[in-house]
Amino acid sequence: EIVLTQSPTTMAASPGEKVTITCRASSSVSYMHWFQQKSGTSPKPWIYDTSKLASGVPDRFSGSGSGTSYSLTISSMEAEDAATYYCLQRSSYPLTFGSGTKLEIK
Amino acid sequence: EVQLVESGGGLVQPGRSLKLSCVASGFTFSNYGMNWIRQAPGKGLEWVAYISSGSSYIYYAETVKGRFTISRDNAKNTLYLQMTSLRSEDTALYYCARDGAAIPLDYWGQGVMVTVSS
Repeated sequence: EIVLTQSPTTMAASPGEKVTITCRASSSVSYMHWFQQKSGTSPKPWIYDTSKLASGVPDRFSGSGSGTSYSLTISSMEAEDAATYYCLQRSSYPLTFGSGTKLEIK
Repeated sequence: EVQLVESGGGLVQPGRSLKLSCVASGFTFSNYGMNWIRQAPGKGLEWVAYISSGSSYIYYAETVKGRFTISRDNAKNTLYLQMTSLRSEDTALYYCARDGAAIPLDYWGQGVMVTVSS
């Protein structure tokens, strides 16, 4: 099983601040995928195939990485970005998620 | 519009069984693999099981292998999760999610709550 370690677990950012969330895999994966979940709602695909933005995702979001190290970056934090973000690997079964990063607005 | 609607959840005693359903609409169900994913209260996401479009390939998380069975009825556009020998740690919101061609887990249902407690 590929274990995904996300960091930080929680963080708060001010409007306009740059935010980076990392996801490290215990073995190399081909791609990393990211989901956004807001309280009381189902997760939404956010970034797929490491760097592609899902429909409707603002271009202040970006994704990068390769092998065992991946990241999600927000170039300029906005209030609507407050949510929990999860990384997902689909390179091998069982599929595994990171433990999540709760991002809050200061 | 793609829709996934789960049902069948509820309160069940440890050791008992429960069967979840997920009815799909708005797309050709028989063309897509499907997944069950769960989320314990206040916790993160845990993938549970996958079934391919024609049921040829099935995978489970180790935590449910041997106790849960994923299946589908393409004629009824319905995905199932038969859960047996339920434990308190199976308490969670259970989501069904489509395995998209380009985007993994591209559509999710609203989730159905399963509570295992005596």
